Amino acid sequence: DGGITQSPKYLFRKEGQNVTLSCEQNLNHDAMYWYRQDPGQGLRLIYYSQIVNDFQKGDIAEGYSVSREKKESFPLTVTSAQKNPTAFYLCASSNTRPGEPSSTDTQYFGPGTRLTVL
Amino acid sequence: ILNVEQSPQSLHVQEGDSTNFTCSFPSSNFYALHWYRWETAKSPEALFVMTLNGDEKKKGRISATLNTKEGYSYLYIKGSQPEDSATYLCAFDGGTSYGKLTFGQGTILTVHP
Repeated sequence: DGGITQSPKYLFRKEGQNVTLSCEQNLNHDAMYWYRQDPGQGLRLIYYSQIVNDFQKGDIAEGYSVSREKKESFPLTVTSAQKNPTAFYLCASSNTRPGEPSSTDTQYFGPGTRLTVL
Repeated sequence: ILNVEQSPQSLHVQEGDSTNFTCSFPSSNFYALHWYRWETAKSPEALFVMTLNGDEKKKGRISATLNTKEGYSYLYIKGSQPEDSATYLCAFDGGTSYGKLTFGQGTILTVHP
């Protein structure tokens, strides 16, 4: 089955702890994205990666970090510097080729991780 | 930051009703408009990608129209069924090199049997 997996589904952490959310895809996509969802708001872009070993900040990158060591994997670390980490986090990948976007490129999403910081 | 608005925020209809909702987006730098359906406890699922002014797409009982000049898209559901209950998201693509999408806040549709 091709798709995107995120783990865990629910995550609880104490304030001040860093936590890493997993995202894996087997769609052979170059581009991957992390979004955050808060109640009443649209999905907001945290970080994106167009290719292995490259990633860029999105609109709300403060307090987050990522890595892209393998094409299939794009883990997100929520650091203690993130002021409001409790949220729902979605990972996505797309068939967008680096620097060659097409108007029909589509993003495919994982099932998400709900992070609660106590 | 781009402004993508969806209305209404939520909608309750009876089974068999037809319904529609709106996505408003910037009319400049338009590249594409995406619609997604997001059912509870599942991943958002792509419904349509629309690129041309006047585009109309259809998938079963769901259809969408696009007006890029005035910056809006309508999603229509004919004869709503309980399984249509979901959050419907639209996303604006302004043609960045990395495929950035700007999402609306979604319309939550509940279809009552």
